[in-house]
Amino acid sequence: GDSVTQMEGPVTLSEEAFLTINCTYTATGYPSLFWYVQYPGEGLQLLLKATKADDKGSNKGFEATYRKETTSFHLEKGSVQVSDSAVYFCALKRNYGQNFVFGPGTRLSVLP
Amino acid sequence: DAGVIQSPRHEVTEMGQEVTLRCKPISGHNSLFWYRQTMMRGLELLIYFNNNVPIDDSGMPEDRFSAKMPNASFSTLKIQPSEPRDSAVYFCASSFKSRGSLLAGLNTGELFFGEGSRLTVL
Repeated sequence: GDSVTQMEGPVTLSEEAFLTINCTYTATGYPSLFWYVQYPGEGLQLLLKATKADDKGSNKGFEATYRKETTSFHLEKGSVQVSDSAVYFCALKRNYGQNFVFGPGTRLSVLP
Repeated sequence: DAGVIQSPRHEVTEMGQEVTLRCKPISGHNSLFWYRQTMMRGLELLIYFNNNVPIDDSGMPEDRFSAKMPNASFSTLKIQPSEPRDSAVYFCASSFKSRGSLLAGLNTGELFFGEGSRLTVL
């Protein structure tokens, strides 16, 4: 079945450091790919998405590129802030279905 | 738009009691999802509805759990009787899926989550 794998956390960085959170997926066909973020005590919010190969999603300084050849969708940010501390979830959705498949989440802590 | 609205935000109850969680999806959305989140198991899909009809309830843990969607603007998740292992944060999410999406082009139908209902069963 379809699945999403993320790097295990927690990830702890200093402010202004470069961030990469790896995500790889297994799916048939061409799923849409998403990154969701969950701040403490809140629900998940869509951070960015990509719907086809080589698309780059971006939002709030975060970026991720849909790489079909490596089945990856790694999340990057050039300079993290304390306010980026949260749990990040990679997810996929097949375009002919409604079910999402979420990764286990990666907790990021950014220290001042 | 008010977003997905869940109630209650927090519920503390004793083992054996009935628990009802409520969800109002975003107006116009035609798909609704119930998820459970725990430290041990992460985010688990319990059930989802399309146009008020349950499509996949394979994630519902056991018969103690039931979910209904009597109309497009309301859904409930009920646990009866509740047990301590049901303690978790329960999220409701909604999305829109257009008909004929395969012909109309890609429809990502991203999920919009509520803020969750934190359930503690003593």
